[in-house]
Amino acid sequence: EVQLVESGGGLVQPGGSLRLSCAVSGFSCSNYWMHWVRQAPGKGLVWVARIQADGSRTDYADSVKGRFTISKDNAKNTLYLQMSSLRADDTAVYYCAREAAVPGTVFDYWGQGTQVTVSS
Amino acid sequence: DIQLTQSPSFLSASVGDRVTITCRASQGISNSLAWYQQKSGKAPKLLIFAASTLQSGVPSRFSGSGSGTEFTLTISSLQPEDFATYFCQELNNYPLTFGGGTKVEIK
Repeated sequence: EVQLVESGGGLVQPGGSLRLSCAVSGFSCSNYWMHWVRQAPGKGLVWVARIQADGSRTDYADSVKGRFTISKDNAKNTLYLQMSSLRADDTAVYYCAREAAVPGTVFDYWGQGTQVTVSS
Repeated sequence: DIQLTQSPSFLSASVGDRVTITCRASQGISNSLAWYQQKSGKAPKLLIFAASTLQSGVPSRFSGSGSGTEFTLTISSLQPEDFATYFCQELNNYPLTFGGGTKVEIK
């Protein structure tokens, strides 16, 4: 059974840092592109970042470029999102998602999400 | 960036109703569109990709159509478990974008 379980969210002050983790099971993340998507309270979904199956390529939304770093440890089957210089508008539920093996970027499995709140 | 505009943003319907949600893209995207269902407090669930391909395990009352700039998600006979928010997503252009969502509530 495919499962993605996020952790690491919490309350952080503006300017602070946080690292999110996404532990996957039921498949090897070394075989899939993996993504982070976020959702601010009461708002829609926003793509944040992606990492290639072998970890050689990463891409980011402009709003997080230079502040967030996506990575993964294929041996631990875990995806990460290192977030720094956090701002109030980074407050959201953060989901990790697997990119399906079909044409285009389609998310076939999602984690349950982890809440990040940036506030003083 | 490609903009996706969903309409309506909210709809009220009864069990058994036929429901149609529209997603319009700011430029042509061929059939590169997916639809997701999200229930309150839960992660999104993939329903349809490539505009009209039903994801495995999704009931056949869900269908998708369209190409270019206009797409529709249709629920042929609304069931109690279908009350949720629905999002469209463009598949090929980065940054990936999602529509603003359509919340389907019980009348």
